[in-house]
Amino acid sequence: GAGVSQSPSNKVTEKGKDVELRCDPISGHTALYWYRQSLGQGLEFLIYFQGNSAPDKSGLPSDRFSAERTGGSVSTLTIQRTQQEDSAVYLCASRSTGGEGKLFFGSGTQLSVL
Amino acid sequence: KQEVTQIPAALSVPEGENLVLNCSFTDSAIYNLQWFRQDPGKGLTSLLLIQSSQREQTSGRLNASLDKSSGRSTLYIAASQPGDSATYLCAVGHGSGNTGKLIFGQGTTLQVKP
Repeated sequence: GAGVSQSPSNKVTEKGKDVELRCDPISGHTALYWYRQSLGQGLEFLIYFQGNSAPDKSGLPSDRFSAERTGGSVSTLTIQRTQQEDSAVYLCASRSTGGEGKLFFGSGTQLSVL
Repeated sequence: KQEVTQIPAALSVPEGENLVLNCSFTDSAIYNLQWFRQDPGKGLTSLLLIQSSQREQTSGRLNASLDKSSGRSTLYIAASQPGDSATYLCAVGHGSGNTGKLIFGQGTTLQVKP
């Protein structure tokens, strides 16, 4: 596709439910990132995938958060047993190997946990 | 620990003014620095990327400078327009290897009044 695509754009869920957020990176981009943007917290790094290497999970806030990337393309971020503090905008970005290193972001998924 | 600070947090100017947004970072060991624009409810759009070996980058009415030794970057917007109203985010590429992991500032929200 022309850009990074995320779905759904909005998700409302009840506390304790699991949610899955999807990211389609730009075709051919080998690196994929998940960030979280919370009110008053700014943008926080969550997880990073590069090709077939083991992902860098150093930013995941708890073991309720996990992510996978299938076939080196689409990624899914899963939050289990959601809590109200998980409410935020979840942004996905991708980057090509080489080039100048710019990250291209999707429009995000607004997650609201009631 | 790398920390990125943006000043001011908010700025309101009349149309046509030239303005400067400031970004500072605590650790000069960065790979690059990016300036992004974020419109309400939208993702991030990359404006300019400065590699660690560069001093500035220009795109149209935008000019970004980088002084690694002092840990500072500025984004200069010439002849501001109402369409420039948005939140501007500074982010540094930091860590072991040029992974593309970014650490963001809190942003400067700019309003340009007609």
